[in-house]
Amino acid sequence: AQSVTQPDIHITVSEGASLELRCNYSYGATPYLFWYVQSPGQGLQLLLKYFSGDTLVQGIKGFEAEFKRSQSSFNLRKPSVHWSDAAEYFCAVAPAGSGNTGKLIFGQGTTLQVKP
Amino acid sequence: DAGVIQSPRHEVTEMGQEVTLRCKPISGHNSLFWYRQTMMRGLELLIYFNNNVPIDDSGMPEDRFSAKMPNASFSTLKIQPSEPRDSAVYFCASTRDSNQPQHFGDGTRLSIL
Repeated sequence: AQSVTQPDIHITVSEGASLELRCNYSYGATPYLFWYVQSPGQGLQLLLKYFSGDTLVQGIKGFEAEFKRSQSSFNLRKPSVHWSDAAEYFCAVAPAGSGNTGKLIFGQGTTLQVKP
Repeated sequence: DAGVIQSPRHEVTEMGQEVTLRCKPISGHNSLFWYRQTMMRGLELLIYFNNNVPIDDSGMPEDRFSAKMPNASFSTLKIQPSEPRDSAVYFCASTRDSNQPQHFGDGTRLSIL
């Protein structure tokens, strides 16, 4: 079955420290991959996406993610975290190409807390 | 550009009442999705439309839930009768086509007492 796993439910980092949020997926073929961020009381905002090509993708707010086919992973990174990055982060996948119906499968989310 | 607009932002009602959630997708977007978010189950896709036609409603929990999209700029999700276990945040999202990312509204926080 198709699934997305975010192993870390909750992560706390100090402001200015680096960040890596993990995402692993189980899929028959390489899917489209996404990271979304959700601030309290808000909807989900797209941080970045991978469809094809360069496996290191840049997103908004200084985030990047690297697709590793051999590990079925799409980890999100940021070199220096700001207090405003505290939020919940969701990894999501969708079938690629002609099989893409637009349906997203979401991970359970990782809550990021930033210490001053 | 206006994003996906959902109303109301908050809804509190008693069990047994009918609840109607509304969504206006981004202009020009052809696909619309309804999600439910709870602590226990995370984000679940309930139903999605393509060109106003329901494509997949397999995520709709039961017959008490129904969704319509009478035109390209409006969709409703209705719960009748509502139950306390329906309490959740309901999101609407839209996309220009299936190969583009989805854009989410701010959600409707629904509480059924």
